[in-house]
Amino acid sequence: EVQLVESGGGLVQPGRSLRLSCAASGFTFDDYAMHWVRQAPGKGLEWVSGISWNSGSIGYADSVKGRFTISRDNAKNSLYLQMNSLRAEDTALYYCAKGHAAVGATLVMDYWGQGTLVTVSS
Amino acid sequence: EIVMTQSPATLSVSPGERATLSCRASQSVSSNLAWYQQKPGQAPRLLIYGASTRATGIPARFSGSGSGTEFTLTISSLQSEDFAVYYCQQYNNWPLFGGGTKVEIK
Repeated sequence: EVQLVESGGGLVQPGRSLRLSCAASGFTFDDYAMHWVRQAPGKGLEWVSGISWNSGSIGYADSVKGRFTISRDNAKNSLYLQMNSLRAEDTALYYCAKGHAAVGATLVMDYWGQGTLVTVSS
Repeated sequence: EIVMTQSPATLSVSPGERATLSCRASQSVSSNLAWYQQKPGQAPRLLIYGASTRATGIPARFSGSGSGTEFTLTISSLQSEDFAVYYCQQYNNWPLFGGGTKVEIK
């Protein structure tokens, strides 16, 4: 059974940093792209960042480019999101999601964690 | 920059009726379109990818169609568990979600 468990969320002041982690199990982690998707309270879904299986391809939403860094450790079956210079508008539930296996569909998210809440406020 | 527009924002449907949800891309995304369902307090669930391919375990009452800029998700006969918010997502470029359609009980 695929499991994705996020951690690292919390209350942080504007301008500070936070590092999110996602522990993966139930599948061969280093075979798949991984993603972070966020959802502000009462709002829709926003893709934040994605990383290919070997970290060779990385992308970011314009809203976080230059402030957030995605990474993965295949030996530890873990995905990370380093978030710097946090803003109030970064307040959201952050989901870790697994990329689909189908050819050409690595940017489709077929399994999701339950999310970790990040609140940016003074 | 691609913009994904879903309509309507809210759809009121009676159980057993057909629901038709629309998603429009501001430029062609070929067939690189996925649909997700999200219920309150839950993570999204993948329904459709490749515009029309059902994900594993998704009931046949869910179907997707379209290509280019116009896409449709059809739920043939709404069950009680289908009342939720539905999002489309293009993946022709880095992912981008539409704003969602809430399907509510009429």
